[in-house]
Amino acid sequence: DVKVTQSSRYLVKRTGEKVFLECVQDMDHENMFWYRQDPGLGLRLIYFSYDVKMKEKGDIPEGYSVSREKKERFSLILESASTNQTSMYLCASSSHGGNEQYFGPGTRLTVT
Amino acid sequence: AQTVTQSQPEMSVQEAETVTLSCTYDTSENNYYLFWYKQPPSRQMILVIRQEAYKQQNATENRFSVNFQKAAKSFSLKISDSQLGDTAMYFCAVRGGATNKLIFGTGTLLAVQP
Repeated sequence: DVKVTQSSRYLVKRTGEKVFLECVQDMDHENMFWYRQDPGLGLRLIYFSYDVKMKEKGDIPEGYSVSREKKERFSLILESASTNQTSMYLCASSSHGGNEQYFGPGTRLTVT
Repeated sequence: AQTVTQSQPEMSVQEAETVTLSCTYDTSENNYYLFWYKQPPSRQMILVIRQEAYKQQNATENRFSVNFQKAAKSFSLKISDSQLGDTAMYFCAVRGGATNKLIFGTGTLLAVQP
């Protein structure tokens, strides 16, 4: 079974802090994704990566950056957290051309 | 650009009954894929069913089936014999054939009542 894990289920940070959200997948997938999920807005793509060291902006990249140094790991970075980044963050992975994305359990981030 | 619209924010159904969740989409691609994902309370999102746009036959997975109307750009999900474990947020999504990106709708929260 594909397994996608995220470093934290719940995280509380202060405004202005640098925040790292980590995602690891164990199926040798080429593609990895970061979404944020907000009530009434569904899932919105922040960034995705189709290979090591490769990244592309999604629909809402402002205020975020990503890092993919190894194939299995994809990190989302909030350089200076703000209250409007309080949200649920979901990581997903898929094989190249694959029809299914596999999701992690999510990290609920609260910025105070 | 691709868009997905789910017009039912919340729905409720009695256990053992049938319920249909609506989804409409827009895409300029000729080759695309459609998905229904399920997110149970406090649990991971999982794929329920998928449909390739080039296939005319509606996809079916056990109690879950879709009504794919390509011309109308409609992709509804039917859940038969609803069970308490079907209580979840359901997301409709579309992926263009040339991309790995999924575009999601805003979700429908389904509550199955005992």
